[in-house]
Formats: sequence, structure tokens, C-alpha cells
Amino acid sequence: KAGVTQTPRYLIKTRGQQVTLSCSPISGHRSVSWYQQTPGQGLQFLFEYFSETQRNKGNFPGRFSGRQFSNSRSEMNVSTLELGDSALYLCASSIRQGITDTQYFGPGTRLTVL
Amino acid sequence: AQSVTQLDSHVSVSEGTPVLLRCNYSSSYSPSLFWYVQHPNKGLQLLLKYTSAATLVKGINGFEAEFKKSETSFHLTKPSAHMSDAAEYFCVVTAIGGKFYFGSGTKLNVKP
Repeated sequence: KAGVTQTPRYLIKTRGQQVTLSCSPISGHRSVSWYQQTPGQGLQFLFEYFSETQRNKGNFPGRFSGRQFSNSRSEMNVSTLELGDSALYLCASSIRQGITDTQYFGPGTRLTVL
Repeated sequence: AQSVTQLDSHVSVSEGTPVLLRCNYSSSYSPSLFWYVQHPNKGLQLLLKYTSAATLVKGINGFEAEFKKSETSFHLTKPSAHMSDAAEYFCVVTAIGGKFYFGSGTKLNVKP
């Protein structure tokens, strides 16, 4: 099976712009989660989508939003970019294995805001 | 409430010597626990997971971890480090229907 794919892999934007990142989960996985990873804050949970509905949400401002499509592919959008949004954005798809889900990660999208 | 504490931010070992990366967790429920590895500029790769079956869990690349409920620990070990093991390792806890909680990571350096 193909793994989780994320596009694009690298992005450079300027402050004030908006950006959309895409994530295609492993076939059969219905849950997609997004994380932001920075050297200072580590891995921070953004949100999780399951069957096109947001199931969990982290503590990020409303500039960060996401959605999931009927084929389980997900997008996240960041509007009005700030310098502090520069980070590696990781997507993980998950499936129930046993009593809980197991997450599988994509390679990430490296976003640089200038 | 759930949380994870990785006790060492950096660990340095010599090639061929044992690796021990420490993780303590807190969970109100019966937890599931995971270890992931992240090589530079890459995503996270699942090393192993514990989900209430055998307490000694074997993973990929010779890693294993032991779930100790009395000590609320899930330490990651490997008998003999290889240069390719140099990476950052994350301990993760979750429970049924819940979020995933990540530790702050341990960077493993392997000296030749």
C-alpha cells in the first residue's frame, strides 16, 4: 500500500498570504490529523478529521482551518500568514488497530514564511 | 488527562553499545503507547506500539519497549546502536477515541 502523501513538499510564502496544504491518506484510512512541528514548540496538534467531520481540535487560532473530502483526502489552510507559521506541517492518517487508532505519518510540508 | 514525559532531551551513545530512551506517561484510561522515529527533514515512522497485549513489545530495526504499569513507564531499548539510529524519537500516548499526546522528543546521537 502507498503511504501517506503530502503536497507540496516545500513552500515559500510571504507574510499576509494564505496557503493550502494537501494530504492523501493511506487507502482505507478514514481519519486524518494535522500537526505543526517547530524547533521551539515541538509537535503540536492542529486538528483531526474523520468521515469529513472535525473530530478533535488543538489550540490554534482561527487562521488555521481544514477540511476532509469524501475520499478521505484532507486539506489545511492557513490565512494571513505570519513569520511564526514557518514550520514542518505533518499529516497522519489513522485506522483502528485493536482498541485504539494507530497513526501513520507523511513526509511533511516545509513551509517558510518570509 | 493524558501526558507523556521523555526524561532526556539528548542521549549520546557509542556505536555497538546499548540504547535506552526513557518515557513516562500519565493516563486516566488504559493507554496505548507508541514510539516513533524521525530522521532529519523526514516524517515520523512508527517503531512499535503497545495496546494492552504483551507488555514487552518488539519493533522494527531491533528496538523494543516494555510497558510497566506500576512505574507508568514505556522505555525504548536496543541492544546495540548503529550509526543509522541517530535520529529523534517520540513517545506517544493515546486512549480509546482520544487525541494523541506526544512527548517532547529525545535526540539520539551515535558516536563512531
